[in-house]
Amino acid sequence: AQRVTQPEKLLSVFKGAPVELKCNYSYSGSPELFWYVQYSRQRLQLLLRHISRESIKGFTADLNKGETSFHLKKPFAQEEDSAMYYCALETSGSRLTFGEGTQLTVNP
Amino acid sequence: DGGITQSPKYLFRKEGQNVTLSCEQNLNHDAMYWYRQDPGQGLRLIYYSQIVNDFQKGDIAEGYSVSREKKESFPLTVTSAQKNPTAFYLCASSNDPGGSPYNEQFFGPGTRLTVL
Repeated sequence: AQRVTQPEKLLSVFKGAPVELKCNYSYSGSPELFWYVQYSRQRLQLLLRHISRESIKGFTADLNKGETSFHLKKPFAQEEDSAMYYCALETSGSRLTFGEGTQLTVNP
Repeated sequence: DGGITQSPKYLFRKEGQNVTLSCEQNLNHDAMYWYRQDPGQGLRLIYYSQIVNDFQKGDIAEGYSVSREKKESFPLTVTSAQKNPTAFYLCASSNDPGGSPYNEQFFGPGTRLTVL
């Protein structure tokens, strides 16, 4: 069965420090992976897709099929990055399986 | 902002009562989804619908029911059979019912249900 694991429920860093939010998955098919973000008092929204190989708000994520990981990284964290981050795996059809989420706090 | 609306924002229910949560979208999306969000457990899929008049169970469908009579509407009923209904409920929609690596789900603001 498909599963997404985010091992850190809480992550706290200082402004300007690098940040890495971990995501591991298990899936027998070809994985399509996403990161969603929920800022305080805002709706959950897509941050980035692995297929696009894009950098959004300075964040990047590389799919590592060997390690079954899709970690989210940013070299220099900003206070406005504080939010709840969810890793998600698309399985049959368009349904998504979400991880437990990581609450990132960037301290001044 | 528009797109997807959920009502009400807060809902209180007595034990043993059924309650219906509304979800409407004006994005012309084919697919719609209901998730339950609990602290420390992320989002769990309750039901989803890829096309009007059709829907499938998600991972935690027991105690819930849905209908999809119109493309823009996907109401969720929390029945008295749901053992632990107090939670935050999120509705979403997407225009890729078949799935795609470019898929994006758009989320509503959520409804917080409390059973008294």
